[in-house]
Amino acid sequence: DAKTTQPNSMESNEEEPVHLPCNHSTISGTDYIHWYRQLPSQGPEYVIHGLTSNVNNRMASLAIAEDRKSSTLILHRATLRDAAVYYCILRDVLNYGGSQGNLIFGKGTKLSVKP
Amino acid sequence: DTGVSQNPRHKITKRGQNVTFRCDPISEHNRLYWYRQTLGQGPEFLTYFQNEAQLEKSRLLSDRFSAERPKGSFSTLEIQRTEQGDSAMYLCASSSNGAGIQETQYFGPGTRLLVL
Repeated sequence: DAKTTQPNSMESNEEEPVHLPCNHSTISGTDYIHWYRQLPSQGPEYVIHGLTSNVNNRMASLAIAEDRKSSTLILHRATLRDAAVYYCILRDVLNYGGSQGNLIFGKGTKLSVKP
Repeated sequence: DTGVSQNPRHKITKRGQNVTFRCDPISEHNRLYWYRQTLGQGPEFLTYFQNEAQLEKSRLLSDRFSAERPKGSFSTLEIQRTEQGDSAMYLCASSSNGAGIQETQYFGPGTRLLVL
């Protein structure tokens, strides 16, 4: 799986939007972009994923650059409960379905939310 | 749907002792993963089961580690002759095979191991 680069940490104020960047300059055409987050003392949880088009769900939005070399996870109104480590992960659709399938995590971005 | 559960949540042991962790996945999920997470790092893949078959093992999984998933339901991860370097959070995740690339892995709360 291709590597991703994320800032180590970011800060946000409560009820303001947060834009979490991820660079993946070596992404291949068959890589999907997945985001997971890990709240303190919990296991990671799925947030969102996409391939080329921007995606929205109840938790967040994912904006994918036209050349797919970067993406941004958008939390529209940060709450204190959004304080977590956010991981950007690439998953190759060609590997999935075989014996692979595990997620390859980096260090992620630690998001702090101030009241 | 009660989610993925792991037991125990915390384990303190002395170096050289054996420990065993249990993971109960979401009931209809046929894929089960074990990951290890050390402080300040993201989770690292250890091993993967599809039903009862162990299909993939990371090189991180030394011969002191063994995992089983009898009958394709719950799974156990055993560490023999524990070392201080084994201190970490051990995470279990499960998913459904039929989802393809849309597959979402659901993680348990983890077992935190401290080897003294």
